[in-house]
Amino acid sequence: AQSVTQPDIHITVSEGASLELRCNYSYGATPYLFWYVQSPGQGLQLLLKYFSGDTLVQGIKGFEAEFKRSQSSFNLRKPSVHWSDAAEYFCAVGSPNSGGYQKVTFGTGTKLQVIP
Amino acid sequence: ETGVTQTPRHLVMGMTNKKSLKCEQHLGHNAMYWYKQSAKKPLELMFVYNFKEQTENNSVPSRFSPECPNSSHLFLHLHTLQPEDSALYLCASSRGGADNYGYTFGSGTRLTVV
Repeated sequence: AQSVTQPDIHITVSEGASLELRCNYSYGATPYLFWYVQSPGQGLQLLLKYFSGDTLVQGIKGFEAEFKRSQSSFNLRKPSVHWSDAAEYFCAVGSPNSGGYQKVTFGTGTKLQVIP
Repeated sequence: ETGVTQTPRHLVMGMTNKKSLKCEQHLGHNAMYWYKQSAKKPLELMFVYNFKEQTENNSVPSRFSPECPNSSHLFLHLHTLQPEDSALYLCASSRGGADNYGYTFGSGTRLTVV
């Protein structure tokens, strides 16, 4: 069964500092990997996704993530955090479409606080 | 990518009421999902519909009744709910094909059961 671990429940960074959110997954084959962001009271928005190919993936809002098969990790990074990045971030792993629909398993989320 | 609309955004209901949540997407996706998001808990998959046929029901209590009249619309009918059912209910959709492109989520319905 696929699973995702986000070891950090809360992270606080200063505005302008760099950010790295950790994600480890468990999956038997090459996974489909995602990062989503959720602002308070809102749904989840897809930041980026990895299927295959280049292990460094660029997403929206200046985020990137690196797939490291040897470490079963897919950490999210941003070189300089803005106050508007304060939100909750979810890592997710998916399997190939089965019967026409997608199975995605979400981590428990990391809440990011940005201080001035 | 936007295009999944949920209504209402907020709902307060008594334990004896009957209400419905609505979700619609015009992205041409074939699968639609209901998720429950409670505080300090992981996202819980409730139901999956693929081409308007229910393909998964993750042991959801019968007081939650989904309906999918077509591939663009999904409802969640609620009756005799409990206070612990208070949560953010998220609808999502996804497209077919061999690859998993992830979900497009709606903004959710914040449900409070009193």
